[in-house]
Amino acid sequence: NAGVMQNPRHLVRRRGQEARLRCSPMKGHSHVYWYRQLPEEGLKFMVYLQKENIIDESGMPKERFSAEFPKEGPSILRIQQVVRGDSAAYFCASSPSQSYEQYFGPGTRLTVT
Amino acid sequence: RKEVEQDPGPFNVPEGATVAFNCTYSNSASQSFFWYRQDCRKEPKLLMSVYSSGNEDGRFTAQLNRASQYISLLIRDSKLSDSATYLCVVNRSYGGSQGNLIFGKGTKLSVKP
Repeated sequence: NAGVMQNPRHLVRRRGQEARLRCSPMKGHSHVYWYRQLPEEGLKFMVYLQKENIIDESGMPKERFSAEFPKEGPSILRIQQVVRGDSAAYFCASSPSQSYEQYFGPGTRLTVT
Repeated sequence: RKEVEQDPGPFNVPEGATVAFNCTYSNSASQSFFWYRQDCRKEPKLLMSVYSSGNEDGRFTAQLNRASQYISLLIRDSKLSDSATYLCVVNRSYGGSQGNLIFGKGTKLSVKP
């Protein structure tokens, strides 16, 4: 049973470009969560999705960031017009229900130059 | 007051020592509590859920005191492989969503031979 998969593992973008981060949950998990970890900081919740629905986006910046979890395919976290401050590790987690333990993918390390 | 507070450490202990981590949380409505461990530049890995009755898994014992809003983790007979950052995690329960996890900044443990 494959774990949570994320790709790419490393992503380099220049300021102003777009970044697309992908997450495939564990088999049988329909709940997906995105977290961001800045250097030397703790993980911060960004958004919680179920298939085709955003359940909680209280941690998402109001501009440039969006997320989706389509009926088919992985969940996508999209960052438009990236800035240096977006450089961080972005982790995706999944769970079979919202009150169950969350299991994390290996993360995508985004570097904005 | 931070939502989840931990002693940042580092805790430097010899092999075989017993070490205890403490954590406090501010949201009395939180329902789920966890300890995760995170190795350097890796994803958080679930160590154990924490229940009001306390729970034990091998050398690891977790306790929850809801009245004091306090969580603890005890590691007995520590091994070199226990060296990591230990994250206290609580769910933010509001608006019907329980999927939003709040992470402490972590306590770094270093076990020396």
